[in-house]
This record gives sequence, structure tokens and C-alpha cells, in this order.
Amino acid sequence: EADIYQTPRYLVIGTGKKITLECSQTMGHDKMYWYQQDPGMELHLIHYSYGVNSTEKGDLSSESTVSRIRTEHFPLTLESARPSHTSQYLCASSRISSGTEVTGELFFGEGSRLTVL
Amino acid sequence: KNQVEQSPQSLIILEGKNCTLQCNYTVSPFSNLRWYKQDTGRGPVSLTIMTFSENTKSNGRYTATLDADTKQSSLHITASQLSDSASYICVVSDRGSTLGRLYFGRGTQLTVWP
Repeated sequence: EADIYQTPRYLVIGTGKKITLECSQTMGHDKMYWYQQDPGMELHLIHYSYGVNSTEKGDLSSESTVSRIRTEHFPLTLESARPSHTSQYLCASSRISSGTEVTGELFFGEGSRLTVL
Repeated sequence: KNQVEQSPQSLIILEGKNCTLQCNYTVSPFSNLRWYKQDTGRGPVSLTIMTFSENTKSNGRYTATLDADTKQSSLHITASQLSDSASYICVVSDRGSTLGRLYFGRGTQLTVWP
């Protein structure tokens, strides 16, 4: 079992509300990610971080923001939620590899399913 | 454009039967390929990883193959169980480092019936 936790698992909110999806890992991994997943579609990277105070935007444009103040914590915030933000959000982490080491395995949380009415 | 294509999109089999899922990719350069299993409502979990020099790797009833020349991989499930019902996702990395980018397939949704 991976030691990465997401809360809330399910969230239903109205348009215009501010929400924060929490993600924490206890594996000491430096790299963390947020993916968005819709039914039948591939995972899309929306944010990632190499470590504390490092955040980068992913391939999929997103109105959300992230922060990385502590190694173990990588929350995602939507300032004003809209119905188009309805989706499954998956947090993941991996250990930074070096040299010839194979790219690290992703450890995923259980996901946060967001519904915006 | 780097892509990962999986087939079939969905598959229904009876418990105890074998099945094979396919993954074709155009990612270049190639570093490694992972198969993940995602149960409904859960996060994906890694099953196997294949590097360029590996042809076959097994994890219990799961056997992955890789043909780096044709850029194809398969995941064979033997003696399927009801718990194998899940989405199986193929993920390809373009280099073996932290900077490696990951390319995800859309997954094959497997349903095992009793």
C-alpha cells in the first residue's frame, strides 16, 4: 500500500466556491504531481513539483494553483469552481532518480472526485 | 507526436479465462514502459516495468512483454479472477531520469464475469 493520502474523496459544491484538495505523502518523495482524469480518457498532468518551493504547470492548462511548502504536502486550490472543473483529481509522488536509474514508479492517492453544480 | 494507444478499449471475459491487452506507442526516445492497474474509484497501482532490454516480465498471473523494435507491449492475464476487473493503463517514459516525461494510454477496461 502506498502512503499517499487525498482528502476529500468526494466533494459536491456550487459554482463560484473556493476549494482545496489536500494531498499528503509519508514516503519522503521529492517529486509530486496532480493529474486530472475523466472517464475513458488518459490522465492529464496539470501540476508537478520537484521539491519544496518548486511548482510547475503540466501539459493540461488548469485554472487551479498548487503550493509546496513542505515536502510531504501538495495541496491544489481552485479559487472559483465552475462546472467545467468537474472531474477526478489524482495526486501522485515519486522518488527522484539519478544517473542511469530507471524513472521512478508513481504512487497514486485514491483520488478526489469533484462535482461542481 | 508521441502517443500511446491501447486496445481493446474494453473487454469482457469469464472468470478463469486468459486475456491479452495491447499497447502500441510512438514515444521516442524510449526509456521504459509501465503497466498500471486502476480499480474503480481508486488510484492506479504499478504492475510491471519494462526497460529497453527486457522482453518479458512476470508478476504473479500478469505477464508483460515488450518489443522495442515494433514499439509494442502486451499484458497477459492468466486464469482471470473477479478481482482483475479494472482499468489497465500503459504508461511510457521518454528518458530514464527525473526529467522523463510520461505518456499515458486511455486504458483498457476489463470486466471479469463469474
